[in-house]
Amino acid sequence: GAGVSQSPSNKVTEKGKDVELRCDPISGHTALYWYRQSLGQGLEFLIYFQGNSAPDKSGLPSDRFSAERTGGSVSTLTIQRTQQEDSAVYLCASSSRGGSFTEAFFGQGTRLTVV
Amino acid sequence: AQRVTQPEKLLSVFKGAPVELKCNYSYSGSPELFWYVQYSRQRLQLLLRHISRESIKGFTADLNKGETSFHLKKPFAQEEDSAMYYCALNQFGSYKLIFGSGTRLLVRP
Repeated sequence: GAGVSQSPSNKVTEKGKDVELRCDPISGHTALYWYRQSLGQGLEFLIYFQGNSAPDKSGLPSDRFSAERTGGSVSTLTIQRTQQEDSAVYLCASSSRGGSFTEAFFGQGTRLTVV
Repeated sequence: AQRVTQPEKLLSVFKGAPVELKCNYSYSGSPELFWYVQYSRQRLQLLLRHISRESIKGFTADLNKGETSFHLKKPFAQEEDSAMYYCALNQFGSYKLIFGSGTRLLVRP
């Protein structure tokens, strides 16, 4: 595709349910990032994938959060036993090489609402 | 620890007025600084980076290491500048882009 694609665009879930958020990066981009955008909190770094290296998961807020990147392309962010404080916009970005944010492109985000 | 502070949540100016969006950072090494912008219903996108020392859409930002600031400026604001602006910091060679909390710029006619 022409840009980073995220699905779904919106997700409403009940507290305690699990959710999966998907990110399709730009073809050929080896680096993929997940951020969380909360009202008044800026963008919070969650996790980073670079090629076949082990991901940096240091930003994940709890063990309810996990992410995978299959085949170096599509990534899935999973939140288990969702809580109301998980409500936010989850942004994915990709770049052609790690650490070079002039080449990073963001998706449109997934707005997650936990009720 | 790296930190980016944007003290203003909302900045409202009239069209044609000068605008300055403040950004201060905390980092002991050599930072790489950026401004990102998100227009209504659009994706977050890079506006400019300090290394390029360029002017984009009339905006400029100068890195002041003494004051640890990277304020975004434009001499004459336009209505189409209304958006959410995020200042971000990256350590050279790193990949964790640290964002500030953002400033909403509202340019009124």
